[in-house]
Amino acid sequence: SAVISQKPSRDICQRGTSLTIQCQVDSQVTMMFWYRQQPGQSLTLIATANQGSEATYESGFVIDKFPISRPNLTFSTLTVSNMSPEDSSIYLCSVSDRSNQPQHFGDGTRLSIL
Amino acid sequence: ILNVEQSPQSLHVQEGDSTNFTCSFPSSNFYALHWYRWETAKSPEALFVMTLNGDEKKKGRISATLNTKEGYSYLYIKGSQPEDSATYLCARINAGNMLTFGGGTRLMVKP
Repeated sequence: SAVISQKPSRDICQRGTSLTIQCQVDSQVTMMFWYRQQPGQSLTLIATANQGSEATYESGFVIDKFPISRPNLTFSTLTVSNMSPEDSSIYLCSVSDRSNQPQHFGDGTRLSIL
Repeated sequence: ILNVEQSPQSLHVQEGDSTNFTCSFPSSNFYALHWYRWETAKSPEALFVMTLNGDEKKKGRISATLNTKEGYSYLYIKGSQPEDSATYLCARINAGNMLTFGGGTRLMVKP
């Protein structure tokens, strides 16, 4: 299975700043996804990162707030922009090659906004 | 059922007890159901991918069943151990291989 390196593992940020989270995979993968888990909530899909084109965002998430890059088949970034305390969450990237195979997740980024 | 729902939200059991949790999901346009185990400070780990009605899968002391017609899956843990303490997540696959997760069941096994 793919080995996923997600950085940073945690951070504490000031309100109004932005943070970029990186997700590096040790092999080429077809699909990469970004998820968020707010305290007490379920894991929620933010967007599908598309290689060479704009990400596909789920309802309630917009590019201005969560810009995503995917320059190649092994790397993606998620930026959380203009952060507020409501953005305090665990952010996870995951990868998948086929729909009948499980997704593989990074260790997550635990983000707290003061 | 419109969303993926899991019950109970949390569960405390004694070491050696057997336990089970429920995942309910929309039964229409079903592709697959995933079960994951998520320990604190680690990444979610895949347990099972279930696709066919009546599927039963087993991994050590953990097993799962699937009923796609009525839209539910059960996860069973036999003889719980403290290392089984984790959050157990089920997720329904949608078109495009996107997962819709339930809220999870947090299991705590006391020694």
